[in-house]
Amino acid sequence: QVQLQQWGTRLLKPSDTLSLTCAVSGGSFSDYCWTWIRQPPGKGLEWIGQIIQSGSTNYNPSLKSRVTISVDTSKNQFSLKLSSVTAADTAVYYCAGGRHYFGPADYWGQGTLVTVSS
Amino acid sequence: DIVMTQSPDSLAVSLGERATISCKSSQSVLFSSNSKNYLAWYQQKPGQPPKLLIYWASTRESGVPDRFSGSGSGTDFTLTVSSLQAEDVAVYYCQQYFNTPFTFGPGTKVDIK
Repeated sequence: QVQLQQWGTRLLKPSDTLSLTCAVSGGSFSDYCWTWIRQPPGKGLEWIGQIIQSGSTNYNPSLKSRVTISVDTSKNQFSLKLSSVTAADTAVYYCAGGRHYFGPADYWGQGTLVTVSS
Repeated sequence: DIVMTQSPDSLAVSLGERATISCKSSQSVLFSSNSKNYLAWYQQKPGQPPKLLIYWASTRESGVPDRFSGSGSGTDFTLTVSSLQAEDVAVYYCQQYFNTPFTFGPGTKVDIK
């Protein structure tokens, strides 16, 4: 059973860079597509982007200029960086994994609430 | 982007009764080459991450009770809970993974009447 454990900075100031990492265990890292999804408090889900082992990425155009998703296959980890954050980026950020590049998120991390406040 | 809509926004159903949620996409998510609908359903309980229930519009994820079923094709989809249990109280989201960015519906909150 694939398990995802995520961590990162939880409180940021406007213009800071958000940084989160997700560690994968219990499965073959190369067999899955890895995704970041966020959810503002009390609101719905927003797909941020995805990456596969080769490093190939897809980003949401609404965030593309500020987002970088990277992978460290030696550690079975993938990461999210979001630059120039504002209060609108306050959300629970989830890492997730799926069996297909064009597929749903089968496995989810526990979520990290990131708050942007001056 | 493909826009996903859901109806109703919320519903309350008596225990043991049927709950039905509708999801519509702004364009077809049916891939003609493999005849698959690129549509998933998730369940989210308070304080928890979403849980995958249904993918390819009608394939139940392993371990998901068979009271959950998905149907539909093209742009119109339905999630049905045939006999609502107390543990089914949650928000339900549909998601298309036909085109990036993969987009979610706004969610439907299901409660017990």
